[in-house]
Amino acid sequence: DAGVTQSPTHLIKTRGQQVTLRCSPKSGHDTVSWYQQALGQGPQFIFQYYEEEERQRGNFPDRFSGHQFPNYSSELNVNALLLGDSALYLCASSSQGAGETQYFGPGTRLLVL
Amino acid sequence: QQQVKQSPQSLIVQKGGISIINCAYENTAFDYFPWYQQFPGKGPALLIAIRPDVSEKKEGRFTISFNKSAKQFSLHIMDSQPGDSATYFCAADSGGYQKVTFGTGTKLQVIP
Repeated sequence: DAGVTQSPTHLIKTRGQQVTLRCSPKSGHDTVSWYQQALGQGPQFIFQYYEEEERQRGNFPDRFSGHQFPNYSSELNVNALLLGDSALYLCASSSQGAGETQYFGPGTRLLVL
Repeated sequence: QQQVKQSPQSLIVQKGGISIINCAYENTAFDYFPWYQQFPGKGPALLIAIRPDVSEKKEGRFTISFNKSAKQFSLHIMDSQPGDSATYFCAADSGGYQKVTFGTGTKLQVIP
């Protein structure tokens, strides 16, 4: 049983570009949350998707957007990249019917030059 | 605004010793307090979690102590081993929304 998978593992972009990160949830999970983890910091909640809709959002600008597909996989899009967007982007999946336990993927390391 | 404060930032413990990490929260709506362990290059992994209706939860060498009135909770790692060397995050959630608020992390090093 595969856990949460994310792609790509690493990515280098330049300021102003756009990026798309992908996440496949753990089998049986229907909810996907995205977090940004800056170097040396704890993860910060970006948003959460359930039933293909954004259900909750953290304190992130509209440059950050997402999508959830019918198979529960998800994408995180970031437009007009800034140097400060350089971070590890984590995807976590969970099941609405199984409590709060979230399972994290290995993350995508984004470097903005 | 940081809602979960964590200390210390780093910790060095001798093998076999007890590692203690402390956290404090502000939002009284929080009702679920997980601890995560993160190794370099990996995503956080759930270690143990507690709800405020109990004061202590133990799983193997890991124990959470919870003080609801003080809005504080802590992780104790008994008989610490070099393999426990990792970064530990306390966290909090409310109402089952799975919008987890993380602390700033504690980098634990267990030396032989």
